[in-house]
Amino acid sequence: QSVLTQPPSVSGAPGQRVTISCTGTSSNIGGGYDVVWYQQLPGTAPKVLIYGSFYRPSGVPDRFSGSKSGTSASLAITGLQADDEADYYCQSYDNGLSGCWVFGGGTKLTVL
Amino acid sequence: QVQLVQSGADVKKPGASVKISCKAAGYTFTTYALHWVRQAPGQRLEWMGWLNTGDGRTKYSQKFQGRVAITRDTSATTAYIELTSLTSEDTALYYCAREVRYYGSGNFYWDAFDVWGQGTMVTVSS
Repeated sequence: QSVLTQPPSVSGAPGQRVTISCTGTSSNIGGGYDVVWYQQLPGTAPKVLIYGSFYRPSGVPDRFSGSKSGTSASLAITGLQADDEADYYCQSYDNGLSGCWVFGGGTKLTVL
Repeated sequence: QVQLVQSGADVKKPGASVKISCKAAGYTFTTYALHWVRQAPGQRLEWMGWLNTGDGRTKYSQKFQGRVAITRDTSATTAYIELTSLTSEDTALYYCAREVRYYGSGNFYWDAFDVWGQGTMVTVSS
């Protein structure tokens, strides 16, 4: 089962901008499949931040933005706030073997 | 209020089976597909399988093929996942999640998991 690769942790001071990368392969992101980004606050279920690699559901602040190029995608967070401290996961579809959804390993964001 | 409510935590012995329920409320159950995702302690989210709540079709991750079954009871607006031949590696928090389709212009659409259950902790221990 293919997986997506994320950095284990990133950090930034309040007000700063951080980016989280998500690297896949030709069977998922590189194969044209879009990326979903989730935010998981401690003790809660994941919440959709970005779908279709670029788009925000209603209610998600425009401080969160997504991009995609080749076999990678990125999540950018501007104007960091204390309550952005959470785990962030990327997700995509993988057409290897019989096809399945795959997730990144998660990135812990620390707001300094 | 749209929500998915899962059954409570469970402790099983190695070799046993576990069946977890996921009750949908606040929307038409058969309109949205459901997925099962698990998260072992300190590990990544792991997709297990998908259920078409309308016709009952399923698709499973190859990792679990042969020992997982996802079913539904439409009258009870509830989906179930059963995992057999449990080992300590199956100790995890199990989530059900609703698949939503976001539509763009033209024929474009994108899928994501927009509503999640609260999670069911399954501990496998002798």
